[in-house]
Amino acid sequence: DIQMTQSPSTLSASIGDRVTITCRASQSVSGLLAWYQQKPGQAPKLLIYQASSLESGVPSRFSGSYSGTEFTLTISSLQPDDLATYYCQQYANFWTFGHGTKVEIK
Amino acid sequence: EVRLVESGGRLVKPGGSLSLSCAASGFSFSSFSFNWVRQASGKGLEWLAAISSWGRILYADSLRGRFTITRDNAENSVFLVMNSLRAEDTAVYYCVRSEDNGGKSGDSWGQGTLVTVSS
Repeated sequence: DIQMTQSPSTLSASIGDRVTITCRASQSVSGLLAWYQQKPGQAPKLLIYQASSLESGVPSRFSGSYSGTEFTLTISSLQPDDLATYYCQQYANFWTFGHGTKVEIK
Repeated sequence: EVRLVESGGRLVKPGGSLSLSCAASGFSFSSFSFNWVRQASGKGLEWLAAISSWGRILYADSLRGRFTITRDNAENSVFLVMNSLRAEDTAVYYCVRSEDNGGKSGDSWGQGTLVTVSS
């Protein structure tokens, strides 16, 4: 099974800050990595697929990148609406989710 | 508009069975894969099962054969039959659409249905 190690588990940042969340896969997932945003009481929402492709309708302040088995979600300028938990997910071999990163506003 | 609507969640006793349904609308149902993902209260996301557009089925090893996923293209619906339910199966269960062959993953989620396993 492919394991996904996501960090940090919690992140506190100010409005306007650049925020970075990292996910490391235990083996190659060939770029088949997605990022989701989940707000309290809601279903997850797809932000990024294939590691760096922005889902339609998602603000351009969200971006994804990767090198090898390390994947990064970046929010270029944190907004109040970005308060949420973020999950990475590999879909190269079955599906595996990271444990989530809760983003708090300072 | 793409819609996925889950139903069937309820309170069930340990050892019991339950069938969840996911009704899809607003897109070409037969062209997509579907997955079931669950989330216990305050916890992360756990993938359970997938069924592709051509009927290939995959399950998480942790289920040990207790759950069965099926689809009915004529009814635009996906189902999850759960047997031998345990307290640790208590969670919100989501139906999730994805593209076949490594395209987009999880681009549409239902609102979830709550399964509670308790005596």
